[in-house]
Amino acid sequence: GEDVEQSLFLSVREGDSSVINCTYTDSSSTYLYWYKQEPGAGLQLLTYIFSNMDMKQDQRLTVLLNKKDKHLSLRIADTQTGDSAIYFCAERSGYSTLTFGKGTMLLVSP
Amino acid sequence: DAGVIQSPRHEVTEMGQEVTLRCKPISGHDYLFWYRQTMMRGLELLIYFNNNVPIDDSGMPEDRFSAKMPNASFSTLKIQPSEPRDSAVYFCASSFRGGSGNTIYFGEGSWLTVV
Repeated sequence: GEDVEQSLFLSVREGDSSVINCTYTDSSSTYLYWYKQEPGAGLQLLTYIFSNMDMKQDQRLTVLLNKKDKHLSLRIADTQTGDSAIYFCAERSGYSTLTFGKGTMLLVSP
Repeated sequence: DAGVIQSPRHEVTEMGQEVTLRCKPISGHDYLFWYRQTMMRGLELLIYFNNNVPIDDSGMPEDRFSAKMPNASFSTLKIQPSEPRDSAVYFCASSFRGGSGNTIYFGEGSWLTVV
């Protein structure tokens, strides 16, 4: 079945850039997503990218997609302590459900 | 516009009791999803509906779990009888076919503890 893999933990200093990586196996993925989950909260959609794009920028967030390698990354510029959270990569084929990775915990230290 | 609304936000119940979780999707959305999140298994799809019809319930753990969607604005997830291993966060989510990015929007979750 489909699989989405992420590294489990990333630690950065405030002001640095953070890069969270994700790989997926489903070649029929149409959209790929990044969600953010803060402690005790739900899943907040950060951004998404259509599978025929290779880059999308939204303020401090940059998503890069390498469809050939099935690799997705999320870059957060000028990372702040408020960015500390768990970040989930997810893929969706058509109108079916999302397949999530296990999440990457980002810890931003002052 | 209101997002996906779930209730209760937190519930603590004793083993063997019935638990009912409720969800109101975003108005106009035609897909509704129930997910479960645990430390061990991450986010798992339990069931999803399209136009109030269950499409895929292969993720429902066992007969103790049931889900209904009697109309486009309401769904329930019921656990009867509940067991300690059902302790988890249960998320409801909804989306609209043809919406921007086919995005699925999540509620804040129902945090269930079975003791």
